[in-house]
Amino acid sequence: QQPVQSPQAVILREGEDAVINCSSSKALYSVHWYRQKHGEAPVFLMILLKGGEQKGHEKISASFNEKKQQSSLYLTASQLSYSGTYFCGTRHRDSNYQLIWGAGTKLIIKP
Amino acid sequence: DSGVTQTPKHLITATGQRVTLRCSPRSGDLSVYWYQQSLDQGLQFLIQYYNGEERAKGNILERFSAQQFPDLHSELNLSSLELGDSALYFCASSGQLNTGELFFGEGSRLTVL
Repeated sequence: QQPVQSPQAVILREGEDAVINCSSSKALYSVHWYRQKHGEAPVFLMILLKGGEQKGHEKISASFNEKKQQSSLYLTASQLSYSGTYFCGTRHRDSNYQLIWGAGTKLIIKP
Repeated sequence: DSGVTQTPKHLITATGQRVTLRCSPRSGDLSVYWYQQSLDQGLQFLIQYYNGEERAKGNILERFSAQQFPDLHSELNLSSLELGDSALYFCASSGQLNTGELFFGEGSRLTVL
């Protein structure tokens, strides 16, 4: 039931782009994205509620494909500050909308 | 600053002991979640309260218990501590029951020696 995130980890040079995927085996109601820096609390990035919805947050954006039951997080022209672990969380109608977390994707940005 | 306050920030104790972690949610938020995060691991959901009532339980051990008080603050009690209980414990709050974003506190780092 846990959404599957891929890749598990990625190392980039500053300025490069990254895509992080979050796939669910169950129909999605919403997808949540958070970033956590080492030793700190997770910080909310965005929620996607509708199939086909796309949202942006500076150079970080995300899409939600309801049919494929997946969401992708796009990081464009990555900055050192983007380093951290990215978690997706999914809510589903048939599990009382409880938030279920993926295992996380570790992103390392090198200068 | 998320508006969620957790105390203590750090706690070192011995095996077999009992500790209480405290969480004050954002003003007005009725829903409180507790998570455990072991070193470099994901977020393990423990338990959720909404307006004083338990709403969902995750992988919470029987040695652990929690409650939410009328003023909406919450406490997580960990007893008969084991080495493996060493972790970061996060509290999060949200204004709605099962929608909307979660606001996380800075966490309580528990070390069991």
